[in-house]
Amino acid sequence: GAGVSQSPSNKVTEKGKDVELRCDPISGHTALYWYRQSLGQGLEFLIYFQGNSAPDKSGLPSDRFSAERTGGSVSTLTIQRTQQEDSAVYLCASSFKGTQYFGPGTRLTVL
Amino acid sequence: SQKIEQNSEALNIQEGKTATLTCNYTNYSPAYLQWYRQDPGRGPVFLLLIRENEKEKRKERLKVTFDTTLKQSLFHITASQPADSATYLCALDPNQAGTALIFGKGTTLSVSS
Repeated sequence: GAGVSQSPSNKVTEKGKDVELRCDPISGHTALYWYRQSLGQGLEFLIYFQGNSAPDKSGLPSDRFSAERTGGSVSTLTIQRTQQEDSAVYLCASSFKGTQYFGPGTRLTVL
Repeated sequence: SQKIEQNSEALNIQEGKTATLTCNYTNYSPAYLQWYRQDPGRGPVFLLLIRENEKEKRKERLKVTFDTTLKQSLFHITASQPADSATYLCALDPNQAGTALIFGKGTTLSVSS
């Protein structure tokens, strides 16, 4: 695979449901990031994984948000009991030498 | 407080002119600053990185400057084309430790023919 891939590309859910968003980073990239982008806003950092180190979770907005990265590769961002304010585009990026390579994002809509 | 600001939400210019976008930051000492391009419905794409000890960097029609005294970066597109229309984001590494970048909100550039 040439770039970062994310799935699904679009997700519509009802308020209160749980959702899982997936990110496949570029092979060999040890750093992986999740960001959130709301309409008209900049990218908001959520969580950062670097190799086998403990993730930097400082950007997660609440304990409803969690993420894991299995085997140093694929990552899943989970949002529990979704709220309407969670509606946004969720972007994943992997990094090489400081440069971040972004996936196309998952557009989450909470009804 | 720490801030990164791109002073224009939108910039409209005519084809062939030079577009200049500004990024200012306060209370950071970044080791480098980056510029990304984002098209609607897509993730940002890396364009250029400039380090704190570099004053200027060029890539084809793109030029970036970095003034650590003014805490400002300028991003220039010369001989602009309608295909350059997009949102341009600046980003910096907040603590020189290679952690998550802090992004500005972006400037949306429209180049008319």
